Amino acid sequence: EVHLVESGGGLVQPGGSLTVSCEASGFSFSNYAMHWVRRAPGKGLVWVSRIENDGSSTSYADSVRGRFTISRDNAKNTLYLQMDSLGGEDTAVYYCTRDEWEVIQSDYIYYMDVWGKGTSVIVSS
Amino acid sequence: SSELTQDTAVSVALGQTVTITCQGDSLKTYYASWYQQTPGQAPLLVIYGKNSRPSGIPGRFSGSSSGNTASLTITGALSEDEADYYCSSRDTNSDRYVFGTGTKVTVL
Repeated sequence: EVHLVESGGGLVQPGGSLTVSCEASGFSFSNYAMHWVRRAPGKGLVWVSRIENDGSSTSYADSVRGRFTISRDNAKNTLYLQMDSLGGEDTAVYYCTRDEWEVIQSDYIYYMDVWGKGTSVIVSS
Repeated sequence: SSELTQDTAVSVALGQTVTITCQGDSLKTYYASWYQQTPGQAPLLVIYGKNSRPSGIPGRFSGSSSGNTASLTITGALSEDEADYYCSSRDTNSDRYVFGTGTKVTVL
């Protein structure tokens, strides 16, 4: 069965750093790009970052670019998100999710088909 | 970057039909995917592509699109369909992604 399990969340002071992890099982992790998505209290889902299956390319939301770093260790089936210079606006549940895509009659179709249960990050003094 | 706009909230009577819409420029290029999230749970993919459902998603969920608008329809809504629903798509001309603002569906 396909699983994604996040860990590493917790309480961190403003300006601090934290790294959250996502361990994958039940599928060939190295074949899939991966994303981080977050949901702040009382707010909606927000896409945070994406990394190609081999780590060769990464992308970030404007709100985290320069502060967050996505990475992966395919030998360990694990995805990471290093978060620096954290502020209250980064308080959220962070989800990892698997990137999937198809090509149907020349249409490229992208979606996120597997999600972890999330790990909570609270930025507060 | 792109934005996707959804109605904040809609309500539907038990057993009736409700349609949620999502508007944004990226939808002229890419199909939306739709996600259901109930309190305390992870998001769940319910519709992707033109109108595809992952295994296990009931047939009462369907999707459509036209121009810059994507729609999710629940035909014969059940109490268990009460949730937040989000559209999402890849950003045009980049490998970034965007989620819609979310729609809270209440089943009366």
